[in-house]
Amino acid sequence: AQSVTQLGSHVSVSEGALVLLRCNYSSSVPPYLFWYVQYPNQGLQLLLKYTTGATLVKGINGFEAEFKKSETSFHLTKPSAHMSDAAEYFCAVSTGGSYIPTFGRGTSLIVHP
Amino acid sequence: NAGVTQTPKFQVLKTGQSMTLQCAQDMNHEYMSWYRQDPGMGLRLIHYSVGAGITDQGEVPNGYNVSRSTTEDFPLRLLSAAPSQTSVYFCASRNSDLSYEQYFGPGTRLTVT
Repeated sequence: AQSVTQLGSHVSVSEGALVLLRCNYSSSVPPYLFWYVQYPNQGLQLLLKYTTGATLVKGINGFEAEFKKSETSFHLTKPSAHMSDAAEYFCAVSTGGSYIPTFGRGTSLIVHP
Repeated sequence: NAGVTQTPKFQVLKTGQSMTLQCAQDMNHEYMSWYRQDPGMGLRLIHYSVGAGITDQGEVPNGYNVSRSTTEDFPLRLLSAAPSQTSVYFCASRNSDLSYEQYFGPGTRLTVT
């Protein structure tokens, strides 16, 4: 079985501040991990993904995430928040034996001027 | 490629009415799925399909039917609409390889009065 926990339904930062969105997963086999972003009134789009190899993954718009197996985490970071980063962010996990990825409940990122 | 398309974008139904939400993809993806998104609940899987003629239930299947007669199309039927089905519905598709991300449609916003 696989599961994802996103800590914090809302995260508020000032423009220019560090963004940190937390994601922990549970899986008995090596996972594939994803972060998606949903801008207001739009569908979800892929931000970045980890499959194999390098554990630090870079995505679009300056975001990156690090796969830490020992901590079962895949936290999303961005050094400097921009107003346009305000959106809903979803972490997801896929593993063998499950046809459909499991999504977290999402974290709403609020960016203050 | 158009990707994943959904129609209609908006729909208002009265309690008891039935309707079909359309979903189509032109990427020859084997896997397709339907989600509903409600505030504070994240994405919840309704039904999914791993190929033409094969469907299965997700987390919240009651009140919904699906069929998959072709690779491209995966319609979602509401049999007798209820106010609890007021939500935003997303269709998604992906390649059968677990490392591949899901592609989402733009969503259908459904209101049941």
